[in-house]
Amino acid sequence: SYVLTQPPSVSVAPGQTARIICGGDNIGSNSVHWYQQKPGQAPVLVVYDDRDRPSGIPERFSGSNSGNTATLTIRTVEAGDEADYYCQVWDGSGDHVVFGGGTKLTVL
Amino acid sequence: LQVVETGGGLIQPGGSLRLSCAASGFSISGKYMAWVRQAPGKGLDWVSFFYSGGRTYYADSVKGRFTISRVNSKNTLFLQMNSLRVEDTAVYYCARVETSRPSVFWFDLWGQGTLVTVSS
Repeated sequence: SYVLTQPPSVSVAPGQTARIICGGDNIGSNSVHWYQQKPGQAPVLVVYDDRDRPSGIPERFSGSNSGNTATLTIRTVEAGDEADYYCQVWDGSGDHVVFGGGTKLTVL
Repeated sequence: LQVVETGGGLIQPGGSLRLSCAASGFSISGKYMAWVRQAPGKGLDWVSFFYSGGRTYYADSVKGRFTISRVNSKNTLFLQMNSLRVEDTAVYYCARVETSRPSVFWFDLWGQGTLVTVSS
């Protein structure tokens, strides 16, 4: 089955840029979606279809996807961005939804 | 615009439970819907997917034990869970599915979840 790999944690200082990667075999041929989950809350969609943002999500959040790596980029990081972030694809070969293991973003 | 899950609780291994997901602000009959769970302290884990034409998909870990269904007249999605195991303990989220083209699906609306605890 298809596997998505994320680093367990990423740390960044306020005002800097955070990059959270999601690795998968030829993931660039899939569409990748990203979710933010704060403690005790439900996940929230922040990027869909590789690079599109739902309404209400700040422009500071952006996505890219190529080769074997998809990336969620958060510019000018704020304390409120501290959360777990998950990538997700649809595995058409197995008709399954696949989530990455999640990355905890810590704002120093 | 929201979905609200109910039906969670404490259940013994081998028992059954039915979760409900009541939608408001949109009609589930025109949407794909899904269940996603999260074990305590763990990541997101997809459970089941209700696709167009009544087609359903399941994670291997629940196939044959869980059944997803919906009643359009009640605008409600269900998850019937049988033969529950300790490892099924999790918060179960109902999620609305959005798509832009075949084989591209994401979850654009989530409920707050309902906790299922399987323990003796």
